[in-house]
Amino acid sequence: NAGVTQTPKFRILKIGQSMTLQCTQDMNHNYMYWYRQDPGMGLKLIYYSVGAGITDKGEVPNGYNVSRSTTEDFPLRLELAAPSQTSVYFCASSYFGNWNTEAFFGQGTRLTVV
Amino acid sequence: DAKTTQPTSMDCAEGRAANLPCNHSTISGNEYVYWYRQIHSQGPQYIIHGLKNNETNEMASLIITEDRKSSTLILPHATLRDTAVYYCIVRPGGGSARQLTFGSGTQLTVLP
Repeated sequence: NAGVTQTPKFRILKIGQSMTLQCTQDMNHNYMYWYRQDPGMGLKLIYYSVGAGITDKGEVPNGYNVSRSTTEDFPLRLELAAPSQTSVYFCASSYFGNWNTEAFFGQGTRLTVV
Repeated sequence: DAKTTQPTSMDCAEGRAANLPCNHSTISGNEYVYWYRQIHSQGPQYIIHGLKNNETNEMASLIITEDRKSSTLILPHATLRDTAVYYCIVRPGGGSARQLTFGSGTQLTVLP
C-alpha cells in the first residue's frame, strides 16, 4: 500500500497565484486532514473531512478551500497565495469508527510564496 | 478534546530509557491517550495509544496512571534516530471526535 501520497513535494508560488495541493490515500479511511507547519512550530489544522461530501474548518482555514468528492482524495486549494502561506503542508487520514485507530501522514509539501 | 501539557524539551543518553511525561488532568472517561512523533521535516508518525491499561508495542511502552490524569511514554533503549518532537494527544473514542489537534510537543534529543 502507498498510504498517504502528497504531490507536489516542493513548490514556489508568486504572490497572487493559486494552486492545488493533492492528497490521496488508498486505505479506505473515512477521515482526512490538512495541516500546516511553520518553521519551528507545531501543526495547525486547516480543514478536515469525516467522509466524502463532508468538510469542516479547523483552526486556520482562511485563505484555503477543500473538497472531498471521493473517499480517496482530499485536495487543498490556495487562492491568491500570500507570503504568510509559506509553510510545510501535511495531509493525513485515519479510520474512525467504534474504536480509535491511528492517523497516517504524508511526507509533506514544502510551499514557498515569494 | 482534553488539553495536554508536556515539557518543551528533554535530553537522553543513547542506549538509556527515555521517559516522556504528559499531563492530561481534564481527560474524560472515553478519551484515549495517543503518542505521535515527528522526526525533522517528516510527517508525524504514530507510536502508541491506550485508554487505561498500560500498553507496549515494538516501538515503546505507554504507562497511564490509575487516575488517568497523566501518562509516560517510554522508549526503552533510545537511539540517535529517536531524536524527534513527541506529541501527546487525547481524543474521544467511539467515533465522536472529529478534529485531530496537535499541541507543541516535547523535543527529545538523544545524545551520543
